Amino acid sequence: AQSVTQLGSHVSVSEGALVLLRCNYSSSVPPYLFWYVQYPNQGLQLLLKYTTGATLVKGINGFEAEFKKSETSFHLTKPSAHMSDAAEYFCAVRGIQGAQKLVFGQGTRLTINP
Amino acid sequence: EAGVTQFPSHSVIEKGQTVTLRCDPISGHDNLYWYRRVMGKEIKFLLHFVKESKQDESGMPNNRFLAERTGGTYSTLKVQPAELEDSGVYFCASSLGQTLWEEQYFGPGTRLTVT
Repeated sequence: AQSVTQLGSHVSVSEGALVLLRCNYSSSVPPYLFWYVQYPNQGLQLLLKYTTGATLVKGINGFEAEFKKSETSFHLTKPSAHMSDAAEYFCAVRGIQGAQKLVFGQGTRLTINP
Repeated sequence: EAGVTQFPSHSVIEKGQTVTLRCDPISGHDNLYWYRRVMGKEIKFLLHFVKESKQDESGMPNNRFLAERTGGTYSTLKVQPAELEDSGVYFCASSLGQTLWEEQYFGPGTRLTVT
């Protein structure tokens, strides 16, 4: 079974609109959840992470994500999209069977329409 | 502070040839990871070094891939002989410690094309 699933390989929103990128994880995975972003010709950059504590996590560039255990979800949101948000976004989990490796979802490419 | 660097940024080789990818982690980071993204697929883990030792190499696809980290600093990933299915982007990441909530810092990747 897939440990991390990102719904929608491509998402397109208008500038100023809400951004919602969906991530669901297998209920058997530990709650070390991450969102990374990859801008063109750059490496992956950490946006935010959930480990323990507050379920609403705030990250860089105005993004936030909410850990919902009952829904096994960790969706990424931003209230108002900016052209500079165009990038590919990756949801990932760490700690499966105690391993250090990150396990990634398939990625979602976000396009911002002017 | 310099980030994770990878060399080369692009490599185009023919099937059967050998290619060596290099990764320089952030100075002082004992943990070094290799990942790969094949076209259209998710990013997948290849292996994890702690200093010069291989901690986890469960993701290495086959014995055509050889990773080394002599002296616990930079790492190389050699593919010999390369096959068409090895094409993709190879990412390197590093981290200071091994706590599960610790950030892994990624390099820009090496795009490998095998023709």
